[in-house]
Amino acid sequence: AQKITQTQPGMFVQEKEAVTLDCTYDTSDPSYGLFWYKQPSSGEMIFLIYQGSYDQQNATEGRYSLNFQKARKSANLVISASQLGDSAMYFCAMREFQTVGNEKLTFGTGTRLTIIP
Amino acid sequence: NAGVTQTPKFQVLKTGQSMTLQCAQDMNHEYMSWYRQDPGMGLRLIHYSVGAGITDQGEVPNGYNVSRSTTEDFPLRLLSAAPSQTSVYFCASSYIGPRNEQFFGPGTRLTVL
Repeated sequence: AQKITQTQPGMFVQEKEAVTLDCTYDTSDPSYGLFWYKQPSSGEMIFLIYQGSYDQQNATEGRYSLNFQKARKSANLVISASQLGDSAMYFCAMREFQTVGNEKLTFGTGTRLTIIP
Repeated sequence: NAGVTQTPKFQVLKTGQSMTLQCAQDMNHEYMSWYRQDPGMGLRLIHYSVGAGITDQGEVPNGYNVSRSTTEDFPLRLLSAAPSQTSVYFCASSYIGPRNEQFFGPGTRLTVL
């Protein structure tokens, strides 16, 4: 079974609108973390936001927020007031903490976001 | 800080050739890893290391070797290149601990003919 599922291969959003990128995950480890990375056309991987499984509040970083629904095993990224520079590939990733020192990230297949002026 | 550096940026190999992709970080991170990125498949873990002298296999280790003789360096060796190894390779590093994000290098685009 896929550990990280991103069901939206591509999305088109009007500039200044909010956008939600979906991510569902599968784990039996009670302790885990969820990460979102942005990959612009230049190719580098840019860390955006992190949510821990025991965090009481949804993570926020500037225009990025994470809609974390633990019971549903979903960790959707919300970008408010989208900008042209938000056009990129977005990856959801998970790290399971069952093993000390296990820093392995499992990535989803990504969502390509295009912002329309 | 230079962060995570990778060389070369581009490489073309012929089937059967060997080569080493270099990765270095100057952040004193314990954890280093190599991923490959293929279209439609996201990033997949090849090998990782939690410290000098310690390495382990990831999801797709076949055809690749690694070693970690220093904290800073984590080279990836292709033993006998195959067309299936055509991909973009990313090196990443982080501190060990739950909340620490991984920092990625700029990537190496490898083509095997």
